[in-house]
Amino acid sequence: GENVEQHPSTLSVQEGDSAVIKCTYSDSASNYFPWYKQELGKRPQLIIDIRSNVGEKKDQRIAVTLNKTAKHFSLHITETQPEDSAVYFCAAHRDDKIIFGKGTRLHILP
Amino acid sequence: DTEVTQTPKHLVMGMTNKKSLKCEQHMGHRAMYWYKQKAKKPPELMFVYSYEKLSINESVPSRFSPECPNSSLLNLHLHALQPEDSALYLCASRQGAGSTEAFFGQGTRLTVV
Repeated sequence: GENVEQHPSTLSVQEGDSAVIKCTYSDSASNYFPWYKQELGKRPQLIIDIRSNVGEKKDQRIAVTLNKTAKHFSLHITETQPEDSAVYFCAAHRDDKIIFGKGTRLHILP
Repeated sequence: DTEVTQTPKHLVMGMTNKKSLKCEQHMGHRAMYWYKQKAKKPPELMFVYSYEKLSINESVPSRFSPECPNSSLLNLHLHALQPEDSALYLCASRQGAGSTEAFFGQGTRLTVV
């Protein structure tokens, strides 16, 4: 079955700097890769996604890149702000199955 | 309406109790999901319903029993749970096959005493 690895587990960056979180997946049939932000006690919220036929997607300060050959995708957050502090999960979809990475706790330092 | 609504928000139950969690969506989504999330862990897939039929059961213990009475409703029946089953239970729905976004409910915080 699908396995999603996510790194790092914790990331601290200075406010205004960039943050990068990386994921790899095992099932080459996975075709959709969302990123979720989860604040304490709340539901996961989709922040950006990418489909398998696209290599890069950007939405303001957030971007995602996908390398299908390497089965690798990454989240990039630029000009980080205090409100970016949260846990971020990557996920991979294959048919109806949605498997999450273990999460990255992002701390934005003042 | 782009909401997935879960009730109750919080539930405390004893190990001999029977209770149910409810999830509702009115977006016409054909796939509905139950996830379990422990503190500081990712959501862990439990069950998937597609067109009101159980399509995925991730080897979940039988003390958890899902039910999909119609295309808008998803229940999770709980019986004889253990304290280690205490977690946030998340429901999600998705429009169709392929690359479509999953919408999550706010979750039910379950405590088993």
